Amino acid sequence: EDKVVQSPLSLVVHEGDTVTLNCSYEVTNFRSLLWYKQEKKAPTFLFMLTSSGIEKKSGRLSSILDKKELSSILNITATQTGDSAIYLCAVEAQAGTALIFGKGTTLSVSS
Amino acid sequence: SAVISQKPSRDICQRGTSLTIQCQVDSQVTMMFWYRQQPGQSLTLIATANQGSEATYESGFVIDKFPISRPNLTFSTLTVSNMSPEDSSIYLCSVEDRGVQQFFGPGTRLTVL
Repeated sequence: EDKVVQSPLSLVVHEGDTVTLNCSYEVTNFRSLLWYKQEKKAPTFLFMLTSSGIEKKSGRLSSILDKKELSSILNITATQTGDSAIYLCAVEAQAGTALIFGKGTTLSVSS
Repeated sequence: SAVISQKPSRDICQRGTSLTIQCQVDSQVTMMFWYRQQPGQSLTLIATANQGSEATYESGFVIDKFPISRPNLTFSTLTVSNMSPEDSSIYLCSVEDRGVQQFFGPGTRLTVL
């Protein structure tokens, strides 16, 4: 059975800290791994990683895909209270198929 | 990226009633997906909706409980039928834009009393 596992499930840090969120996957087919940020209802797209694009960076956020270890990390540097959210990792097996989501990591950043 | 709207944004419903959620996209898309997120849980796929064919349901979800329509390439509806408190969730539609990545609508928060 295809599955995506995220760790930790929750994390509390102080503003300015750097955090690393983990995602590992076991899937029959792999096309891409996606990271989303969910603050209220809708997940907001952050990054998509594929075999041809294993590292992405946007401002204080960056992500790396390790295809050998079947995992990915999401790094957030100099965290801010606005980073408090649930971070979801999802894997897409094939184009046009639904995403397989992990349970998410709840990040709380205190001022 | 595709812009997706959902209606209603939230609703509180009585047990035994039905609610239809609408999902509108600003461009034509082939694939539309409906997800459910129960309180404290991650997203679970309900079904995939393709225009011109019946929706494909995931294990544990049936058409009688979650009928879906997909009349054209920009619109879909999901109905939650004969609701019970266990149906209280966030319901999300998503689309794959240009075969690149999936974008989500703003979601519908449903509470069943």
